[in-house]
Amino acid sequence: KNEVEQSPQNLTAQEGEFITINCSYSVGISALHWLQQHPGGGIVSLFMLSSGKKKHGRLIATINIQEKHSSLHITASHPRDSAVYICAVSRGSQGNLIFGKGTKLSVKP
Amino acid sequence: DARVTQTPRHKVTEMGQEVTMRCQPILGHNTVFWYRQTMMQGLELLAYFRNRAPLDDSGMPKDRFSAEMPDATLATLKIQPSEPRDSAVYFCASGPSSGQNSPLHFGNGTRLTVT
Repeated sequence: KNEVEQSPQNLTAQEGEFITINCSYSVGISALHWLQQHPGGGIVSLFMLSSGKKKHGRLIATINIQEKHSSLHITASHPRDSAVYICAVSRGSQGNLIFGKGTKLSVKP
Repeated sequence: DARVTQTPRHKVTEMGQEVTMRCQPILGHNTVFWYRQTMMQGLELLAYFRNRAPLDDSGMPKDRFSAEMPDATLATLKIQPSEPRDSAVYFCASGPSSGQNSPLHFGNGTRLTVT
């Protein structure tokens, strides 16, 4: 079993829809990261959080430490949000990340 | 806007050839990671450095892979000899401070194809 599990693996939405991507982990962590990867592109860090909730524009990330679960929400989705969203966790103070397999999001106009 | 720079962006080579990938971390970042991304395995750690010293290279096949930081502005990942199974995208990432949780900054990756 992977230490970081994401669901769904693939997600197709219509423009304007509210989107939720889930991440569960089975190890103790010091922080959880949400990353975005566009096709053929690099990887961008969206959020790093260790408790509660963070918001940036239309993106919201939440984490429940007791349940070992995090969600990434996108409000008023847009085709430019189409990308792979990757959940990753860091353990201890090393900073190294353990990655989920990613969720491929496609937002149709 | 500071960024991690990787070269080359694409590399096609024949099996058995040496491949060298380079990474320039963000100035002032003292933690550097090499990751490999494949369709089957996703992102996996190959090696990482703190203050230029290798801390963990357990994810790297030692017989053919080597990672070094000759100075604070350059990290290299070499494969010799390369094999078709090494085909993947190799990402370098750097972090601003050792011992603290900070977002990593990723380069755009080197897409390696070994035929």
